[in-house]
Amino acid sequence: GENVEQHPSTLSVQEGDSAVIKCTYSDSASNYFPWYKQELGKRPQLIIDIRSNVGEKKDQRIAVTLNKTAKHFSLHITETQPEDSAVYFCAAIPYSSASKIIFGSGTRLSIRP
Amino acid sequence: DARVTQTPRHKVTEMGQEVTMRCQPILGHNTVFWYRQTMMQGLELLAYFRNRAPLDDSGMPKDRFSAEMPDATLATLKIQPSEPRDSAVYFCASGSQVDTEAFFGQGTRLTVV
Repeated sequence: GENVEQHPSTLSVQEGDSAVIKCTYSDSASNYFPWYKQELGKRPQLIIDIRSNVGEKKDQRIAVTLNKTAKHFSLHITETQPEDSAVYFCAAIPYSSASKIIFGSGTRLSIRP
Repeated sequence: DARVTQTPRHKVTEMGQEVTMRCQPILGHNTVFWYRQTMMQGLELLAYFRNRAPLDDSGMPKDRFSAEMPDATLATLKIQPSEPRDSAVYFCASGSQVDTEAFFGQGTRLTVV
């Protein structure tokens, strides 16, 4: 079945700097890649997603890139702010599994003032 | 404001007791997921349903866990008998179709003593 690996598990960056989180997936048939943000004590919420027919997508300070050949995708946060501190999860939807969402292990991002 | 509703929000129980967690998916959503999140922070898929039919419950310990959807507005996750290692936050999420956002409930924090 699908396996999603996420790195790093923890990340600390200075406020204003950029943060990058990377994920790899195993099922080449996966075609949908969402990113979720989970603040402390809250539910995970979708922040951005990308489909396999595009290589990059941006939404203000966040962007996601996808390399289907290498089977990896990344989340980029620029001009980080304190409210970006959270756990971020990547996910991959294997077409063969009819929408079963397999999450990466999560990255705890801390923004240093 | 459509939301996934989970009850109870918190549950403390003694080892060996039965625990039932409930989830009301967003009206019109036909896919329901159950995830478990431990202190190690990952989101572990336990089971998921499409149009009330179980599609995959391979992540669930079969001897003590069971998941059902008695109707389109209710999903249940039962643990019998409960054990201390079951202590975690259990999230329910619902979605409307393949490859789109999964909306999470606020979770049930279960503590088994």
